[in-house]
Amino acid sequence: EAGVAQSPRYKIIEKRQSVAFWCNPISGHATLYWYQQILGQGPKLLIQFQNNGVVDDSQLPKDRFSAERLKGVDSTLKIQPAKLEDSAVYLCASSGGLLETQYFGPGTRLLVL
Amino acid sequence: AQSVSQHNHHVILSEAASLELGCNYSYGGTVNLFWYVQYPGQHLQLLLKYFSGDPLVKGIKGFEAEFIKSKFSFNLRKPSVQWSDTAEYFCAVIISNDYKLSFGAGTTVTVRA
Repeated sequence: EAGVAQSPRYKIIEKRQSVAFWCNPISGHATLYWYQQILGQGPKLLIQFQNNGVVDDSQLPKDRFSAERLKGVDSTLKIQPAKLEDSAVYLCASSGGLLETQYFGPGTRLLVL
Repeated sequence: AQSVSQHNHHVILSEAASLELGCNYSYGGTVNLFWYVQYPGQHLQLLLKYFSGDPLVKGIKGFEAEFIKSKFSFNLRKPSVQWSDTAEYFCAVIISNDYKLSFGAGTTVTVRA
């Protein structure tokens, strides 16, 4: 079974630029998550989708971050404009349901200069 | 807000030594508990989980964890570690009516051959 796919794997940008990350979940998984993992910390949930609807985005900095999940499958996470403190690994995960095991992708490592 | 505490930031031990990693959470209601592991260069993967039933849970690669409700703890154990257990270990919790997975800061385990 194919796992969660993410791209790009690495991205370097300057502050105030914009960036987008893409995630393809495991086939058939209804729930999709985006996490931010800052160096030395555990992943922090940014947004959670159930099919193409948002379940929770309470920790998403909505002035600069946005995410969508078109047709309930792939998802994109965008940052515009980026700040230095956005340097982190952005993880995508998917699960069959809200309380089921989450499967993580390899992450996108973002460096903002 | 839910919080998850992992007691050790970095643990160094020799092969065949026993391992125990502490995890405490701050919510008094029903919880689902997880341990995830991230091997060098790989993505996060599930080691074991507890939803209900026997509080002693066995996972992959010889790991087990014990849920002690009165102590709000879910400690991870392995009686005899191998060099290949070198990784970062994350404890995580879902509150049953919240659906958000909250992670601890992680414990880096280094096993010396």
